[in-house]
Amino acid sequence: EPEVTQTPSHQVTQMGQEVILRCVPISNHLYFYWYRQILGQKVEFLVSFYNNEISEKSEIFDDQFSVERPDGSNFTLKIRSTKLEDSAMYFCASNPDSSGANVLTFGAGSRLTVL
Amino acid sequence: TQLLEQSPQFLSIQEGENLTVYCNSSSVFSSLQWYRQEPGEGPVLLVTVVTGGEVKKLKRLTFQFGDARKDSSLHITAAQPGDTGLYLCAGTGAGSYQLTFGKGTKLSVIP
Repeated sequence: EPEVTQTPSHQVTQMGQEVILRCVPISNHLYFYWYRQILGQKVEFLVSFYNNEISEKSEIFDDQFSVERPDGSNFTLKIRSTKLEDSAMYFCASNPDSSGANVLTFGAGSRLTVL
Repeated sequence: TQLLEQSPQFLSIQEGENLTVYCNSSSVFSSLQWYRQEPGEGPVLLVTVVTGGEVKKLKRLTFQFGDARKDSSLHITAAQPGDTGLYLCAGTGAGSYQLTFGKGTKLSVIP
């Protein structure tokens, strides 16, 4: 069954460092997303991406965050200067079309620990 | 801001019992989904409901979307230890692809 692949599974970084989280969405999917889940809290929307541009973003997705689809397969989330409160599981997701049901397939997540 | 409240937050039951978990909001959602999440993994979609009053069944799981599309329930019949996990509801508003998640119901089914 097709799946969304995320790397790394776990990254530890020092506060202030740049981090890039990578995702390979399902190959025929057109819409891509990043969500995060701080330990013990709910899953929160960060950003959606379609046709090589951001379509929606939340208040969390400030200037420290950026997304990119550098080639035909990867979708990356960059955090420019990490803060302690950026420690969380980051989930990439994708879906194939613009159906109203918005059926997402999530990756297994990348755990980011900021020290 | 759309919010989804899930209840109960924790539920521990014996194998074979039935249970219902709830997902409520004061906002109308264009679609509502239920996910199951295992520790250290991403949410896995169980079902999507889009029509008010809609009922969907997935083996022993029954999902219902409220008539006003503000609430939903998940009913599990004859729970099994394999049903143990975190159940999340999530909804989308009109014209948005953004999913709003509830905090989840952590279910433990004791053999």
